[in-house]
This record gives sequence, structure tokens and C-alpha cells, in this order.
Amino acid sequence: DQQVKQNSPSLSVQEGRISILNCDYTNSMFDYFLWYKKYPAEGPTFLISISSIKDKNEDGRFTVFLNKSAKHLSLHIVPSQPGDSAVYFCAASAHGANSKLTFGKGITLSVRP
Amino acid sequence: DAGVTQSPTHLIKTRGQQVTLRCSPKSGHDTVSWYQQALGQGPQFIFQYYEEEERQRGNFPDRFSGHQFPNYSSELNVNALLLGDSALYLCASSLAGGNTGELFFGEGSRLTVL
Repeated sequence: DQQVKQNSPSLSVQEGRISILNCDYTNSMFDYFLWYKKYPAEGPTFLISISSIKDKNEDGRFTVFLNKSAKHLSLHIVPSQPGDSAVYFCAASAHGANSKLTFGKGITLSVRP
Repeated sequence: DAGVTQSPTHLIKTRGQQVTLRCSPKSGHDTVSWYQQALGQGPQFIFQYYEEEERQRGNFPDRFSGHQFPNYSSELNVNALLLGDSALYLCASSLAGGNTGELFFGEGSRLTVL
């Protein structure tokens, strides 16, 4: 039973364009959502998070949007850079920050120069 | 400032054996979580330790056990290894009471069970 779903396994975009990574969840108890980025042979690194009381959070080139009614969130990267090429994981928790995280399978983003 | 360190980085075991993985959290962090990442999957929560106690546990059998020491470092023990235990084991640290949910991950320990 996959509670966090990243249905697209990969995405390829041109440098300078927008990357949109999507994530869906099924557990209505989730109240905190995070995005992590992972390079090969490294552990995941935190990118950005959003609480369920918000619908948007922005940090530099990264923006996360949350649509609670649709149980959907997305990560926008503008402009995309070749260094953004990595695996991106969507994660969610049911008891706010610092609680156990449920991860999706990840999306491999490739940014073409 | 040292981040999360894990050891060993790679190891090979045979079915039925036992393994111990180690983790030192990021300086200043007091909470350690362990995750299992199978090939092509996202990390799956095993358990979390705070103040030397298991605070939360995921859907893993009792063969998986852990410990946290007074210096906040942690061990993950897996008994009676199965082929399906082959995975990348990730340790993550955080600060209890933190409000961002940000976990700092180590590079992981790659376990292969033959």
C-alpha cells in the first residue's frame, strides 16, 4: 500500500526551463510534506518543506505547491540547471515535523545543457 | 562540522548471519532515524531513537533492533539475515523539537546478503 506516489519515474528538461515534479498521497492524516534530492553514492539532502496549513512555500529557485483537496503536491524548479540532475523524493509525515517520513519511489530528473 | 557518518559503507553477509551498522549523528543532533532503501524504491522507515529509547517504529520484524548511546550515536542490528534484507541502510539525524522536519542523512551502508 503505497501512501506516497511519484508516478513518473523520470523527467527530462532543457536547461533554463521549468521542471515540475509531481507527487500524490492517499493518507489524509499527512500534515507535513518534504522534498529531498539524492545524487549517486550520497545520502538524500533536504530541499524544501511545506506544512498542510499552507498551499505554497518558496525558497530561491524551488517552490512547492500543495493542493490538499486533490492530495497532490508539486515541486517547481525555475530555472533548471544541469546540477539539478538527480533523483527527487517526495516525503510526508502524519504528526508534523520531526516525525517518521513516508517516501515515494523518486523521480529521476535530467537537465540537458 | 561533521555531518552524519555511517560505517561500514559496504558489507557482504550470508543468509542467517547477523549484522551491526553504526551511525554518528550530525553535531548537535539528538534524534536518530534508520531507513531501508531497496533498489528502485524510496527509503522506508525502520525506527527512530531519542533519549536512548525507541520512539517510533515502522513495519519491520523484530529481527531489526537498534540502540542509541548516551553520545547520541546509534546502531542498527539485523539478525537471521534474509536475501530480501539486501539494501542501502540510511541513518538520519535531527533535533527533537525542530520545526522543519529536516533530516540529515548519511551516505548509507550498502548491505548485500548472499
